[in-house]
Amino acid sequence: AQKVTQAQTEISVVEKEDVTLDCVYETRDTTYYLFWYKQPPSGELVFLIRRNSFDEQNEISGRYSWNFQKSTSSFNFTITASQVVDSAVYFCALSEARDSWGKLQFGAGTQVVVTP
Amino acid sequence: DTGVSQDPRHKITKRGQNVTFRCDPISEHNRLYWYRQTLGQGPEFLTYFQNEAQLEKSRLLSDRFSAERPKGSFSTLEIQRTEQGDSAMYLCASSLSSFSNNEQFFGPGTRLTVL
Repeated sequence: AQKVTQAQTEISVVEKEDVTLDCVYETRDTTYYLFWYKQPPSGELVFLIRRNSFDEQNEISGRYSWNFQKSTSSFNFTITASQVVDSAVYFCALSEARDSWGKLQFGAGTQVVVTP
Repeated sequence: DTGVSQDPRHKITKRGQNVTFRCDPISEHNRLYWYRQTLGQGPEFLTYFQNEAQLEKSRLLSDRFSAERPKGSFSTLEIQRTEQGDSAMYLCASSLSSFSNNEQFFGPGTRLTVL
């Protein structure tokens, strides 16, 4: 069963608009990590952010921010004032304590297209 | 500080041939992971090592696939008797194993095409 669901297949925005990517996860563990990765057209996955299940504090890092809500099992990610270089596929991923923080379980990804 | 490297970057082979890929992790990372990614999908976990020990293998890893990490440094992934369905991007990642520093850093991948 899919443990990480990214319902949005593609989002198209014009530069400077904000983009919010949805991620819903499923786990029975009380201890887990959630991640966002970016995969630009070059193909290499780039680590963006990590959040553990004990810390629901939402943060902002530069133009990135995230909203972690355990009550709804969601870990949404926002890019503020998007730029063309933000065009990429964004993946949400889950790492569980039962796997000793081994494997990452990825969603199917959301393609973000930012046009000038 | 070099990142994760993979070799080759591209491999084209004929069905039935064997192929081997190499991954060099970030030097201080004790964990090394292999994933497979097909077009339009997220990466799927194949296997991972902690030092030399292979700790988990996915059911995706059929008998034709074998991975090694003999000295706890680089790793190889071999596919025997390749099939067209093996065509994919094979990604390697590495990380530390601590609770507070477990983010995985990925290499550029090896794109395999089986004709």
